[in-house]
Amino acid sequence: NAGVTQTPKFQVLKTGQSMTLQCAQDMNHNSMYWYRQDPGMGLRLIYYSASEGTTDKGEVPNGYNVSRLNKREFSLRLESAAPSQTSVYFCASILDRVDTEAFFGQGTRLTVV
Amino acid sequence: LAKTTQPISMDSYEGQEVNITCSHNNIATNDYITWYQQFPSQGPRFIIQGYKTKVTNEVASLFIPADRKSSTLSLPRVSLSDTAVYYCLVGDPYSSGSARQLTFGSGTQLTVLP
Repeated sequence: NAGVTQTPKFQVLKTGQSMTLQCAQDMNHNSMYWYRQDPGMGLRLIYYSASEGTTDKGEVPNGYNVSRLNKREFSLRLESAAPSQTSVYFCASILDRVDTEAFFGQGTRLTVV
Repeated sequence: LAKTTQPISMDSYEGQEVNITCSHNNIATNDYITWYQQFPSQGPRFIIQGYKTKVTNEVASLFIPADRKSSTLSLPRVSLSDTAVYYCLVGDPYSSGSARQLTFGSGTQLTVLP
């Protein structure tokens, strides 16, 4: 069972570079989420998607864009990376109305220098 | 979204029972209380969920008083491997669409000592 898969696991970017973090789930879940977690801190919601083609801002959306291309995949894009975006990024998914358990990926550790 | 308040950290010794309390004064009628566990360098993992009174599974118990303004996660006989951050979340699991945010607070760092 793959669950939620994130790629890449590690990435180093230079300030100003762009990149896309990929997330895919194989559980037929409706809702997907992107979080960032800074050292010693809790998870902060960046964006979430309730269904294919819909996205909503979370607590800290500035500097990020997302795409929910299909039910399985939810990508997070940094257009112009900044050192303040150095963090661990987690993707999660959950099946609405029925399932009450969110499943998380293993995280992407991003360093912006 | 109901705001939650938890202790920042707790220490315990192996074999002891640990109780972590979460305050959620503004909990709504349809909200459930859910607890997640997070180990270093891993994503959070679901532990337990409840609506009222007491819920027990193979790893923990969740106690919710009648007014539902707080809840207590109980971990029986902890071991070193229970050292982790524990998060309390409050929300309606049967909502969908834009109402289905999952908001994590700062969590409680539990350290189990030998």
